[in-house]
Amino acid sequence: DTEVTQTPKHLVMGMTNKKSLKCEQHMGHRAMYWYKQKAKKPPELMFVYSYEKLSINESVPSRFSPECPNSSLLNLHLHALQPEDSALYLCASSPPAGTDQPQHFGDGTRLSIL
Amino acid sequence: GNSVTQMEGPVTLSEEAFLTINCTYTATGYPSLFWYVQYPGEGLQLLLKATKADDKGSNKGFEATYRKETTSFHLEKGSVQVSDSAVYFCALRLTSGGYQKVTFGTGTKLQVIP
Repeated sequence: DTEVTQTPKHLVMGMTNKKSLKCEQHMGHRAMYWYKQKAKKPPELMFVYSYEKLSINESVPSRFSPECPNSSLLNLHLHALQPEDSALYLCASSPPAGTDQPQHFGDGTRLSIL
Repeated sequence: GNSVTQMEGPVTLSEEAFLTINCTYTATGYPSLFWYVQYPGEGLQLLLKATKADDKGSNKGFEATYRKETTSFHLEKGSVQVSDSAVYFCALRLTSGGYQKVTFGTGTKLQVIP
């Protein structure tokens, strides 16, 4: 069982729609991450939140808007996406620095843009 | 910069064959090293890790040793099973402030045939 829960598992949306991806963890982790993974490729980092503050934005287009409302939740708001944005979106979390624990990943949301 | 290079796939093996997937890295600082596995339709699962030179990570019959002198972290398993069919990612991690920066290799697809 994954300890990072992502919803929905699948999402199909048109280019004019607005939707949100959700991620939740209850492990007490204080860093949360969004990754984008295209088929047959490794995950690419999009955003990092550390202690609910945005720490990294890897030059992601503004049609992706992250939000971290509290230490357990991470959202990714989507608007006016393009067909090339179709991918698997993975959320991950990690404990505060100073531990050996790695990032824990959710099972992802598979997004298709029509 | 940091980078991870792993062998091109796909790798096709018969059941009970010996597996090696090569991984080398370039990093500034002292990274931790990981192997993640991704089964079809799922997120990434941690397979094993090593946090310092000469550490050996092991799990489910898989092993990898952190070799600083050759900057390598090759994945091995003595006898693969059909259920091991998946994509394997080698990764290095550096910690910055309160979050982790992970660099992934390109992934190696393993197919095990009965």
